[in-house]
Amino acid sequence: GDSVTQMEGPVTLSEEAFLTINCTYTATGYPSLFWYVQYPGEGLQLLLKATKADDKGSNKGFEATYRKETTSFHLEKGSVQVSDSAVYFCALSGQSTGGGNKLTFGTGTQLKVEL
Amino acid sequence: GAVVSQHPSWVICKSGTSVKIECRSLDFQATTMFWYRQFPKQSLMLMATSNEGSKATYEQGVEKDKFLINHASLTLSTLTVTSAHPEDSSFYICSAASGGNEQFFGPGTRLTVL
Repeated sequence: GDSVTQMEGPVTLSEEAFLTINCTYTATGYPSLFWYVQYPGEGLQLLLKATKADDKGSNKGFEATYRKETTSFHLEKGSVQVSDSAVYFCALSGQSTGGGNKLTFGTGTQLKVEL
Repeated sequence: GAVVSQHPSWVICKSGTSVKIECRSLDFQATTMFWYRQFPKQSLMLMATSNEGSKATYEQGVEKDKFLINHASLTLSTLTVTSAHPEDSSFYICSAASGGNEQFFGPGTRLTVL
């Protein structure tokens, strides 16, 4: 079945440091790939997505490129801020047994950004 | 973006009792709602998919008689954990989607069964 593997956290960085959170996947067919962010006390929010190979998703300074050859979708940001502290989830879409898009999530990576 | 709420945000109950969790789409009509379960430091696991007006479809390994799901309207789905036991303690998260589009997530409900 589908699966997503992402690096374990927590990841602790200083403000303005470069961020990479690795994500690899296994899936049948050609899934769409997502990064979700969960701020403390809030629900998951879609951060960015890519729907086909070589697509680059970007939002709020974060980027991720859909790499079919390496089955990866690593999240990057050139300069993190304290406000980026959150848990980041990599996910892919497939078909649920009930129809509609089923999301398969990685375990989440907690990011802490310090001054 | 669209807003999804859950109620309650946390609940503590005694073993053997039933607990109902509500999921509401506040500003859009959700044709499909999803229920997830999240254990500490683990990923969200899809429990079931619920389409308005029809029976929920459960993922493999999820007991449908234990986790009752009702999706009676386009803005409300409920999850009832029947005869809850300590092993049911978890973080339950719902999401809602309109058509086959993006899922919008609720903030989650923390269930603790004593």
